[in-house]
Amino acid sequence: DAGVIQSPRHEVTEMGQEVTLRCKPISGHDYLFWYRQTMMRGLELLIYFNNNVPIDDSGMPEDRFSAKMPNASFSTLKIQPSEPRDSAVYFCASSLGPTGEQYFGPGTRLTVT
Amino acid sequence: AQSVTQPDIHITVSEGASLELRCNYSYGATPYLFWYVQSPGQGLQLLLKYFSGDTLVQGIKGFEAEFKRSQSSFNLRKPSVHWSDAAEYFCAVSGGYQKVTFGTGTKLQVIP
Repeated sequence: DAGVIQSPRHEVTEMGQEVTLRCKPISGHDYLFWYRQTMMRGLELLIYFNNNVPIDDSGMPEDRFSAKMPNASFSTLKIQPSEPRDSAVYFCASSLGPTGEQYFGPGTRLTVT
Repeated sequence: AQSVTQPDIHITVSEGASLELRCNYSYGATPYLFWYVQSPGQGLQLLLKYFSGDTLVQGIKGFEAEFKRSQSSFNLRKPSVHWSDAAEYFCAVSGGYQKVTFGTGTKLQVIP
């Protein structure tokens, strides 16, 4: 298996623009997680899905953030409009079961200018 | 609610020296415990995990961790550190049907 795939690896955008981050989980995994990592706040869980259904989005910072999982092999995290404080590395991870080991993607480094 | 505490934000050790990274957890029942490593510019990679059984767990890259229920701890150890071990290490806990909770991480610096 290729592991968790994220795209793009790097994204630079201007404030106010829409940003879409993409994730392909490991085949067969039924949980998908979106995390944000910054120097100030560390690793934060934004939202997670079980069988394509959002279970807990309490970590999503505000309404500008939205996430979808239209099928078992694809998820998106969208920020609209983006702001400089959204600059961070965004990780996607997947697991078999909620308590299983999580496999992380390489991350998307987002810079909002 | 479950939680994880990594009391050391940053640790510096000499190459060849032994290493112990501390992790304390809070969870009402027997937890599932994990250690992950993150190299610069990379995602997190699982080092080892404890679900049940032997309380001393062996992982990849020569790491081991010991689950001590009485101390609510799951410390990570390595007898001899290599320069390539410089990274950030995350302890994590989960249980039942609850999602995994990560600690704040410990950055390891290895000096020659």
